[in-house]
Amino acid sequence: AQSVTQLDSQVPVFEEAPVELRCNYSSSVSVYLFWYVQYPNQGLQLLLKYLSGSTLVKGINGFEAEFNKSQTSFHLRKPSVHISDTAEYFCAVSDLDGNKLVFGAGTILRVKS
Amino acid sequence: EPEVTQTPSHQVTQMGQEVILRCVPISNHLYFYWYRQILGQKVEFLVSFYNNEISEKSEIFDDQFSVERPDGSNFTLKIRSTKLEDSAMYFCASSRTGTEQFFGPGTRLTVL
Repeated sequence: AQSVTQLDSQVPVFEEAPVELRCNYSSSVSVYLFWYVQYPNQGLQLLLKYLSGSTLVKGINGFEAEFNKSQTSFHLRKPSVHISDTAEYFCAVSDLDGNKLVFGAGTILRVKS
Repeated sequence: EPEVTQTPSHQVTQMGQEVILRCVPISNHLYFYWYRQILGQKVEFLVSFYNNEISEKSEIFDDQFSVERPDGSNFTLKIRSTKLEDSAMYFCASSRTGTEQFFGPGTRLTVL
């Protein structure tokens, strides 16, 4: 079974500052890793994914994440945030059979001007 | 760009009533999923569906729940006798290969 821990429930940050949203996972098998974003009153949008290969993955809207197998982490980063990045961000894992996603509790990113 | 659609966007029902939540997955996708998110809680997996049968289901997905793909385009979740604790946002997702999943906008179910 897999589990996901998002270490921060809320992250306030000023516009144009860098941000890192932390995600750690636990699994006894190899996994795929994902970040989803949920804007207010909307569904989940895939931000980026790690399936294999390069451990640094780039996604939409200038976000990137790095897979660290030894630390079982998949932290999300953006060098300069915008007001429009205000949303809730979910880290998720699945096993390689892809039957289900296991989500973290989410991190609310609040970008202030 | 193709997307997953869900209807209705909001459903209000009385406790004990049956509800059917509808989803139209992306057309060339083969894997289908239902998740729910109770207000303030994690997104939770309910069920996955492939090749016209359930491939995995969670403990939440008990006998009051069922899924169906009645035709080539729709994927439905039926809750037979709703309870207050079924109030949640229900998300449908689909995947072409079983790796990355694309989510619909959700149906907010309110059980009174």
